[in-house]
Amino acid sequence: GAVVSQHPSRVICKSGTSVKIECRSLDFQATTMFWYRQFPKQSLMLMATSNEGSKATYEQGVEKDKFLINHASLTLSTLTVTSAHPEDSSFYICSARVDSGGNGYTFGSGTRLTVV
Amino acid sequence: GQQVMQIPQYQHVQEGEDFTTYCNSSTTLSNIQWYKQRPGGHPVFLIQLVKSGEVKKQKRLTFQFGEAKKNSSLHITATQTTDVGTYFCAADSWGKLQFGAGTQVVVTP
Repeated sequence: GAVVSQHPSRVICKSGTSVKIECRSLDFQATTMFWYRQFPKQSLMLMATSNEGSKATYEQGVEKDKFLINHASLTLSTLTVTSAHPEDSSFYICSARVDSGGNGYTFGSGTRLTVV
Repeated sequence: GQQVMQIPQYQHVQEGEDFTTYCNSSTTLSNIQWYKQRPGGHPVFLIQLVKSGEVKKQKRLTFQFGEAKKNSSLHITATQTTDVGTYFCAADSWGKLQFGAGTQVVVTP
């Protein structure tokens, strides 16, 4: 089945630094990938849609200058959390879809970010 | 945008019992998907429902899509400890998933 590889799985960084999270589709091409954030005991909230070769589209309330998304190839999307603050600590997950024929979205394993 | 409401938020189940989680939307949905997220893990796709009144089964799991395509349910029979996790419904809108709040299931042996 479709696999989306995400790393790092865990990262601890100091306030004010930037963190890059990578998401790769291993056995399929993903022109579109999605980035979610999940706080403890809460649901997944869509942050942005990453489009290969073009600018990402951000959901309302998500700062595009803080959460930089790059989708430089058909298999790689990156999310960079810039100038991280403790309130950015969360579980970040990417997803992609192989096709729309009855198959859902495949999620990466997630990145737990802790900003100290 | 559309909102998907999901209840209950928590479900404590004795092993062997049945339970149901429900999702409701104020708008008609083109489809609804269900995902399971184990503690510490990521969401895993279970099923997609598209047709009005559709019912699909996966072993002990039964998924339903309402006639008006505004609600859906997941019913699990004879709950096992492996059913522990959070079950999310999600509405797919133009390629974006709107997740329900999720039902966290705890199973008591």
